[in-house]
Amino acid sequence: DTGVSQDPRHKITKRGQNVTFRCDPISEHNRLYWYRQTLGQGPEFLTYFQNEAQLEKSRLLSDRFSAERPKGSFSTLEIQRTEQGDSAMYLCASSLVGQSGEQYFGPGTRLTVT
Amino acid sequence: GIQVEQSPPDLILQEGANSTLRCNFSDSVNNLQWFHQNPWGQLINLFYIPSGTKQNGRLSATTVATERYSLLYISSSQTTDSGVYFCAVVLGGGFKTIFGAGTRLFVKA
Repeated sequence: DTGVSQDPRHKITKRGQNVTFRCDPISEHNRLYWYRQTLGQGPEFLTYFQNEAQLEKSRLLSDRFSAERPKGSFSTLEIQRTEQGDSAMYLCASSLVGQSGEQYFGPGTRLTVT
Repeated sequence: GIQVEQSPPDLILQEGANSTLRCNFSDSVNNLQWFHQNPWGQLINLFYIPSGTKQNGRLSATTVATERYSLLYISSSQTTDSGVYFCAVVLGGGFKTIFGAGTRLFVKA
């Protein structure tokens, strides 16, 4: 029984570069969430998918951010033209429709923009 | 928007002591979870508790939805309990999840 996995675990990039992160949810989970967490803060909601449909997006998700879940399984989060303010931990979680909605989190991808 | 406030923000305990962490929220919620974030950043599920009381070993939690608060009790604390404890709520009718700012717990040996 594997949990939520994320890849890569760490990413260092230069300002202006594009980066893409991947999240693989728990296999039977059809809900998937992305969050961003900066140092000393709680995670902030970015977006939510049910199957392949992106149903909710935060205003935090600027035009430089895009998320996809093309086949309702894994998801990708892309940041274009990275800025130093994008440095954060990016967390993914999944849950199951029809159950309690309890979310299970992956280990996160730590992004550093230099 | 909904406000989620956790108290205290920081807590230092001697090993073996008991503690109570509080989470207040300003609107009706569908779900409420408590998490422990370890030093490597992993969020570990403690309780899913939109209402009522649950216990798991030395930890227990109570949510009083009508009064919009939840409590996490840690008894006989251990050094491995150190870390940040978050409560997170899902707004009624939606899926947006709001986290509190967390309680940073340090348990001294």
